[in-house]
Order: sequence, then structure tokens, then C-alpha cells
Amino acid sequence: DVKVTQSSRYLVKRTGEKVFLECVQDMDHENMFWYRQDPGLGLRLIYFSYDVKMKEKGDIPEGYSVSREKKERFSLILESASTNQTSMYLCASSRGAGTLGNQPQHFGDGTRLSIL
Amino acid sequence: AQSVAQPEDQVNVAEGNPLTVKCTYSVSGNPYLFWYVQYPNRGLQFLLKYITGDNLVKGSYGFEAEFNKSQTSFHLKKPSALVSDSALYFCAVRPTDDKIIFGKGTRLHILP
Repeated sequence: DVKVTQSSRYLVKRTGEKVFLECVQDMDHENMFWYRQDPGLGLRLIYFSYDVKMKEKGDIPEGYSVSREKKERFSLILESASTNQTSMYLCASSRGAGTLGNQPQHFGDGTRLSIL
Repeated sequence: AQSVAQPEDQVNVAEGNPLTVKCTYSVSGNPYLFWYVQYPNRGLQFLLKYITGDNLVKGSYGFEAEFNKSQTSFHLKKPSALVSDSALYFCAVRPTDDKIIFGKGTRLHILP
């Protein structure tokens, strides 16, 4: 089974801090994704990566950046955390063909981030 | 704009009854269609997908989904609901020329 591991289940940070969310997958998937999930808004794509050192903006990239130095690891960075970034963050991975493939995404259990 | 709609925020079904969770979409071309389930404090789990072929797709946990091209719908179904099916369900659509789009989710309550 594919395992996608997010480093923290719960995280509390303060406004203005730089925040790192880490995600690791163990199935050699090419594609990795970061979403945020908010009640009534579903999942919104922040960034994705289809290869090492490659990244593409999703629908809501403002205030975020990402890093993919190794194939198995995809980090989400909040450059200067703000209260409106309080949310559930979900990492996912999938096989091949970037975002235009038909393979399902495999999700981690999420990081619930609170910015005070 | 391309979109996915799950018209019901919540669906209540008695245990043992059939269930349907609705999904409609408005995208270009012939999209790939997916259903995911999310249990409390967990990430999304893949249930099933439609790529091409038979309009009735079978997936995990006894779920199936019916693709209807003329109605641009992909409704999730199960013949007999279990209390353990209570969860949040997401429809997702991948247009031929764009990134995947998730619906806002439907909370399914199975009443004992």
C-alpha cells in the first residue's frame, strides 16, 4: 500500500512565523500535491510537483512556497504565517503524467494548522 | 469555467437502504472521474474511477458509480448502506486539458 506521511498531525504557530509542513511518500510517485481543506470549500490546490525540483502553482499559491529536493519529499512553506492560513493541509501523491494523468491520488492524514 | 457540483451538503440514509451521493460536472472534453471518501481525522481515500468503457464502475467497500454522459453526472451508489459508510465523500473530475477539480464534499449519515 502507498503510504503518504505528513510530519505533524497538529501544529500551532504564531502570526509572522515561517512554517514548514513536510510530506514523504514511499511509492516512488512522480507527482506530489499540496491542498488545503476548509469547510464548505472542499479541497483547493496550492502547489504541485511532477518531478524533483519542479513545481507548478495551483489555484491558491499566494503566501505559500514549496520545495522538492528529493523525489519522495515535498515541503510546503508558509513564508510569513497569517491567521487566514489556519486550515487543514493535505499532501497527496500519484503516479506519472503530471496532473494530466488518470491515476488516483493517495493522501496523507493531514496537518491541522492553527495560526494564532 | 470548469466546475464540479455536489448539490447536497448532507445525505441521510437508514441502514440497509440504498444510498446515492450526487455529482455533476461542467468541463470540456471527456474527463476522468473519481470518488474519494474521508473518514474523521484522516486523509482522502480513493474509492473508484471512470476512465472509459462501461458506464457502471465498481469500487471499494461495495460502492459503485454510474457515469451518464448526457447528464454529465457521476453519482455514487451502494445497494445497502452500513453505519460505517458514514463519512465525507468527494467527487473529483480531471478535464482532458487541465488539473483535477474536487467538489465541495457531501456528508453521508447512515442512521442505525
